[in-house]
Amino acid sequence: DSGVTQTPKHLITATGQRVTLRCSPRSGDLSVYWYQQSLDQGLQFLIQYYNGEERAKGNILERFSAQQFPDLHSELNLSSLELGDSALYFCASDPGGNTGELFFGEGSRLTVL
Amino acid sequence: GNSVTQMEGPVTLSEEAFLTINCTYTATGYPSLFWYVQYPGEGLQLLLKATKADDKGSNKGFEATYRKETTSFHLEKGSVQVSDSAVYFCALRITSGTYKYIFGTGTRLKVLA
Repeated sequence: DSGVTQTPKHLITATGQRVTLRCSPRSGDLSVYWYQQSLDQGLQFLIQYYNGEERAKGNILERFSAQQFPDLHSELNLSSLELGDSALYFCASDPGGNTGELFFGEGSRLTVL
Repeated sequence: GNSVTQMEGPVTLSEEAFLTINCTYTATGYPSLFWYVQYPGEGLQLLLKATKADDKGSNKGFEATYRKETTSFHLEKGSVQVSDSAVYFCALRITSGTYKYIFGTGTRLKVLA
């Protein structure tokens, strides 16, 4: 158990819909990262938050948005969903420090029909 | 820019065979290097890491040495087991205002009994 919690584990929805994925980082970790893992794309960095503020943006579509709340949990909002958005979405937290590493949740599998 | 390139899979080996998964990187500054492993149905977890040139990371019989001169961090194991079947990701971490993690596309390993 990495200590990072993601909900829901599985989600099936239709094109054009909107979903929200939730992530609770490890206790004490201030950074949250979101990644998308598609079958043919590997692990793509979407966005990073640190203590409530956006710190870095990767290949995140305009239809997607995220935020980190005062209690440090984070939500990734995906709207106007397309078939190609079907993927595993991972959240990870980072304790920081010189030899820090990422701790990943088990992911939320999104299927868009 | 910063990037990680790792050999494409899948790699299929017999039990007790020698494993090498190649990883090379491009980065500004002095990145930390990581190998993460993803077992079926799970999130990524750290396998080993190295934070400076010539460091060797090791865990569970896996090893990788940070080679600055060849910008490489190849993963090796002398004798693989069926339980090593997973997807392996090479990654680097750079500091650019915040910690930024860049992952390779992953290499799927299948070990046959």
